[in-house]
Amino acid sequence: EIVLTQSPGTLSLSPGERATLSCRASQSVSSSYLAWYQQKPGQAPRLLVYGASSRATGIPDRFSGSGSGTGFTLTISRLEPEDFAVYYCQQYGSSPIFTFGPGTKVDIK
Amino acid sequence: QVQLVQSGAEVKKPGASVKVSCKASGYTFTSYDINWVRQATGQGLEWMGWMNPNSGNTGYAQKFQGRVTMTRNTSISTAYMELSSLRSEDTAVYYCARWVAATKYYFDYWGQGTLVTVSS
Repeated sequence: EIVLTQSPGTLSLSPGERATLSCRASQSVSSSYLAWYQQKPGQAPRLLVYGASSRATGIPDRFSGSGSGTGFTLTISRLEPEDFAVYYCQQYGSSPIFTFGPGTKVDIK
Repeated sequence: QVQLVQSGAEVKKPGASVKVSCKASGYTFTSYDINWVRQATGQGLEWMGWMNPNSGNTGYAQKFQGRVTMTRNTSISTAYMELSSLRSEDTAVYYCARWVAATKYYFDYWGQGTLVTVSS
């Protein structure tokens, strides 16, 4: 089973700053099967990025995804107040099986 | 518009079973697999399994094998997740999610979540 590790666990930033979130896999992951989700308190997760770098419908262009193999990054170019949330990466492996990373919390500094 | 609407909160005793429903609308129910994901309070997301509404085929995470059953009723576009032999550690919010499985794989729509509380 592929294990996803996200860092940092918590990112404390101010609105307008750039956020860089990392997702590392214990084995190589196909970029086609790597997604990022945002979750706010009391809400279901929301798809942000799929296929490692494709933004989901309606997602602002300040969100971007990159990476391949075992290292992936979600970047928020300029944090807006509504971006403070928890972010999860997800991968699909064989079986089929999905796994999620433990999440990165982006909070207000 | 695509919607997944889940059943309401449940309180169960240890050893009991719970069945959560997920009603789909705004798309052809049999065209997309449904996955179930749970989240304990303050914890991360845990994938439980998937179901193909067209064939009824399922795949479960090893952790839940033997305890989880995913079914569907295509006439009412509803998916179900039943978890048996409940224990306190099963207290969580359970989500259904639509799986897009084309050239890229991801969950594009999620239900609102169903809180299941296991307590004596």
